[in-house]
Amino acid sequence: EVQLLESGGDLVQPGGSLRLSCAASGFTFSSYTMGWVRQAPGKGLEWVSDISASGGNTYYAASVKGRFSISRDNSKNTLNLQMNSLRVEDSALYYCAKARISGSSYDYWGQGALVTVSS
Amino acid sequence: DFQMTQSPSSLSASVGDRVTITCRASRAISNYLAWYQQRPGKVPKLLIYAASTLQSGVPSRFSGSASGTDFTLTISSLQPEDVATYYCQNYDNAPLTFGGGTKVQIK
Repeated sequence: EVQLLESGGDLVQPGGSLRLSCAASGFTFSSYTMGWVRQAPGKGLEWVSDISASGGNTYYAASVKGRFSISRDNSKNTLNLQMNSLRVEDSALYYCAKARISGSSYDYWGQGALVTVSS
Repeated sequence: DFQMTQSPSSLSASVGDRVTITCRASRAISNYLAWYQQRPGKVPKLLIYAASTLQSGVPSRFSGSASGTDFTLTISSLQPEDVATYYCQNYDNAPLTFGGGTKVQIK
């Protein structure tokens, strides 16, 4: 059974940093593109970032480019999102998601990690 | 900027009704289009990928179609468990943009 478990969500002040992690199990993690999608309270889904299976290619939404960094450790089946220079508008539930195939839709989602940016 | 324009933003229909939701891409994306269902308080669920391919385990009352840059999700006979917000998403190239969502309710 595929499982994605996010951690690291917290309350942080504007300008601060936070690192989210996603522990994956139940599939060959190193074979799949992974991504992060966020959802602000009461709002729609917003794609944040993707990383290729090898980790060699990364992609970012314009709203986070230069502030967020996605990475993965295929030896530990872990996906990470380093978030710097956080803004109030970054407050959201952050979902870790597995791509169905490379460069594809997401067929499995975690339960999400809540990030709140507030002074 | 690339956009996925989804309509309507909400709808109310009776059980058994046929429901149609549309997404329009601002440029050609071939068939790189997915549909997701998000029930209240739940995690998004993949319904359809490649514009018209049903994900395993999804009821056959859901279907997808494409015509140029217009994409349609159809629920052939609305059921109470279909109350949810539905999102389209392109995945041909980054950014992988989601539509704004369509909230489906029972009349």
